[in-house]
Amino acid sequence: EIVMTQSPATLSVSPGERATLSCRASQSVSNNLAWYQQKPGQAPRLLIYGAYARATGIPARFSGSGSGTEFTLTISSLQSEDFAVYYCQQYHNWPPLAFGQGTKVEIK
Amino acid sequence: EVQLVESGGGLIQPGGSLRLSCAASGFTVSRSHMTWVRQAPGKGLEWVSLIYSGGSTHYADSVKGRFTISRDNSKNTLYLQMNSLRAEDTAVYYCARNVNYFDSWGQGTLVTVSS
Repeated sequence: EIVMTQSPATLSVSPGERATLSCRASQSVSNNLAWYQQKPGQAPRLLIYGAYARATGIPARFSGSGSGTEFTLTISSLQSEDFAVYYCQQYHNWPPLAFGQGTKVEIK
Repeated sequence: EVQLVESGGGLIQPGGSLRLSCAASGFTVSRSHMTWVRQAPGKGLEWVSLIYSGGSTHYADSVKGRFTISRDNSKNTLYLQMNSLRAEDTAVYYCARNVNYFDSWGQGTLVTVSS
């Protein structure tokens, strides 16, 4: 079973600044990695799949990178609507479908 | 437009049963892999169960033997039958379309297991 580990647990960032979130897999998942955004009281929303492909309607300030075991989600210039919890998920070897524990991006 | 709408959540006593529904529109459930994901209060996302388009099913160890995923093709609806409920099953339950990753999610339905 592949275990996904995200860091940091909480990231404090000022609006307009860059945010960098990390996700590590316990074994290689190739580029079979997705990122989701979840705001309070809402369902998760797909941001990135295939490690770097943006989902429909996702702004270009969101970018994904990495392969194998190390992945990064970068938000180039944080907007007010970007403060949320972000989850990574591997789909290289499933089931089970494993999520990371999440990174909360909060206003500094 | 793809849409998923869950229903059936509520307050249930430990040991009780509940059936969740997920009505889909904009696509055909029977031609898709479908998943239930849950989120306990203040916690992260936990995959619960999966039904492949071909009909085979899988479960997280935490619910195996207690939960059953199924679908009604005529109603284009996904279900999750939950038996022998425990306090630790308390969560918002989401259905999602699974294209390896989850490209569409419902709004969730809250299940509270408490006496």
